[in-house]
Amino acid sequence: GAGVSQTPSNKVTEKGKYVELRCDPISGHTALYWYRQSLGQGPEFLIYFQGTGAADDSGLPNDRFFAVRPEGSVSTLKIQRTERGDSAVYLCASSFWGSRDTGELFFGEGSRLTVL
Amino acid sequence: KNQVEQSPQSLIILEGKNCTLQCNYTVSPFSNLRWYKQDTGRGPVSLTIMTFSENTKSNGRYTATLDADTKQSSLHITASQLSDSASYICVVSPNTGNQFYFGTGTSLTVIP
Repeated sequence: GAGVSQTPSNKVTEKGKYVELRCDPISGHTALYWYRQSLGQGPEFLIYFQGTGAADDSGLPNDRFFAVRPEGSVSTLKIQRTERGDSAVYLCASSFWGSRDTGELFFGEGSRLTVL
Repeated sequence: KNQVEQSPQSLIILEGKNCTLQCNYTVSPFSNLRWYKQDTGRGPVSLTIMTFSENTKSNGRYTATLDADTKQSSLHITASQLSDSASYICVVSPNTGNQFYFGTGTSLTVIP
C-alpha cells in the first residue's frame, strides 16, 4: 500500500477482554516496529521485527502482550486480559532498511485503545 | 543510559512568529537524529535527518541544527503558520542495536 495502515483506528473494550491490533506496513519494508503512546508522551518502544522474526521484544511490558508477523508483512499485536492501564494509542512503523543510519520510520495513524 | 530530552514541553506562539525547539541527548555512539512532526490524532512524519557531520539542514521553513560535541539539536520554525500546530518529536539512533530513542515531544500551538 501507499502508507502504513493500521486497524482498527479505535477500539473500546472491557477490562479482561482480548484485543488484536493489525498493522499493514509499506510494501517491501523489511523492518516493522510497534510503539505505544500515552497522551502527552513520546512513543514507547514495544517490539521490532526484521522479516518474520521478532529481533527485539524487550519493550513488551509483560506476557499479556504478544506480536506476530508470520509472513514478514502484516503484523498483529495481541493483548490478553486487557487492563485500564493498557489504554493508549498503539503506533506501528515500518522501515526499508531497518537500520539506524538510513532507515526513516514511516508511521501509521495508530490504533486508539480504550479499556473501560 | 540513552536518553533524549526536549524543551520546552509546550509552547504557544502567534502566527507569523519564529520559534526554536530544543533536543538534548545522551545516546551513544551516535548515528543520526531526526525531527518528526505529529499532528493530533496522526502518526509522526519525518521532517529532517541530521547525521554526525551535518551542522545545519533546512526543509522549507524548518531548520534543524546539530552540535554533536554538546549533543544538542534544535529545530527552528520560521514565520509560523496555524498548520504548524503539532507535537515535534526528536528521535536519536545509535550506531549499534536497532533502537530508536524518542523524546517526549514539544507541543506547539500557533494562534492567530
